Amino acid sequence: DSGVTQTPKHLITATGQRVTLRCSPRSGDLSVYWYQQSLDQGLQFLIQYYNGEERAKGNILERFSAQQFPDLHSELNLSSLELGDSALYFCASSVGPLDETQYFGPGTRLLVL
Amino acid sequence: AQKITQTQPGMFVQEKEAVTLDCTYDTSDPSYGLFWYKQPSSGEMIFLIYQGSYDQQNATEGRYSLNFQKARKSANLVISASQLGDSAMYFCAMSRNSNSGYALNFGKGTSLLVTP
Repeated sequence: DSGVTQTPKHLITATGQRVTLRCSPRSGDLSVYWYQQSLDQGLQFLIQYYNGEERAKGNILERFSAQQFPDLHSELNLSSLELGDSALYFCASSVGPLDETQYFGPGTRLLVL
Repeated sequence: AQKITQTQPGMFVQEKEAVTLDCTYDTSDPSYGLFWYKQPSSGEMIFLIYQGSYDQQNATEGRYSLNFQKARKSANLVISASQLGDSAMYFCAMSRNSNSGYALNFGKGTSLLVTP
């Protein structure tokens, strides 16, 4: 158990819908990262937050947004969902903002029908 | 731009044998980190080992060691005394630093099957 929690574990929804994925980092970690794992794209970095501020951005679609709250938990919002958004979404956390080992949560498996 | 290459899509190893999983990388950054993660069939990503680009010695963590050859840009994972529970996908990753934050770039992974 990495200490990173993600909810829900599984999510099934329809195209066009909006979902919110939630992540709580390890105790003491200030950085949160979101990754998407799909069969065709592999593991891709989406976005990083450190202590509530966005720090790095990857291949995150405009339909996706994220935030980190004062209690350091983070939410990833996915809207206007498409079939291709079906993937495993990971949250990871680390202590600092730069060059730290990232510990991953168990992931949220999203299926868009 | 960074690139991580894992050329072995799948590998077999017999229990108690050692196995090497290959990883090569390409980057123009002078400072970077190299990581290996394990993903069992249950799906979670488990951190195994880390090597900094300026570290003089190869990293070791229990049965895992990282064979870091900077000039050849390779960071192979060696698992000694394989166990059935080592059967999983293994991902090599490199840190990508920007001015304000950083991320991990992952290779496509190698599927390892440990046989009795």
